[in-house]
Amino acid sequence: IVLTQSPGTLSLSPGDSATLSCRASQSVRNNYLAWYQQKPGQSPRLLIYTASYRAAGIPDRFSGSGSGTDFTLTITRLEPEDFAVYYCQLHGTSLWTFGQGTKVEI
Amino acid sequence: EVQLVESGGDLVQSGGSLRLSCAASGFTFSSYAMNWVRQAPGKGLEWVSCIIGNGDDTYYADSVKGRFTISRDNSKNTLYLQMTGLRADDTAVYYCANGVDNGWYYFDYWGLGTQVTVSS
Repeated sequence: IVLTQSPGTLSLSPGDSATLSCRASQSVRNNYLAWYQQKPGQSPRLLIYTASYRAAGIPDRFSGSGSGTDFTLTITRLEPEDFAVYYCQLHGTSLWTFGQGTKVEI
Repeated sequence: EVQLVESGGDLVQSGGSLRLSCAASGFTFSSYAMNWVRQAPGKGLEWVSCIIGNGDDTYYADSVKGRFTISRDNSKNTLYLQMTGLRADDTAVYYCANGVDNGWYYFDYWGLGTQVTVSS
């Protein structure tokens, strides 16, 4: 399964809302779809798992939705620390697959 | 607190070999699958390999199958990645990661990574 993220780059301001898309080439079994945030020089951090469940310690301005082949990460009220690269990831027949990433920049 | 600390990254010539290690603490190591995920310079994340808790089953990305071997020593709480036949496109930061909190489908915890550079 191939994951395609869009847009490649999102240019926004603090306080804006961000909508990131992740589309799978086939239906994602049991919605085993996650979102990660990665800041420059840091390891990725799990934000959302199983499409819509927030990982421990993740602020509620991050939310995930979707099913089947189309998934969305929404970030409301962008904080300065939210500007980063976001990856979606699935577990399926090809084991673990990541999307190519969306950069959210100021 | 879960901690994962990678080591063993280095500069190596094309065709060479390298063994990475990941020291784990803060959880019952033998109960959880462990993974290697890599990131080439300026690129995205690529899953490399997985080994289940007791070490009986292993999984590999097509890009490394036949060249890399994942293993673990549960008595030492340590994960390994033996890399042979290294190529320039193996140059990346290599992370170990696991899904202690949310299952093996995801990567809850990550190490800081270790840099592997393959010179041609």
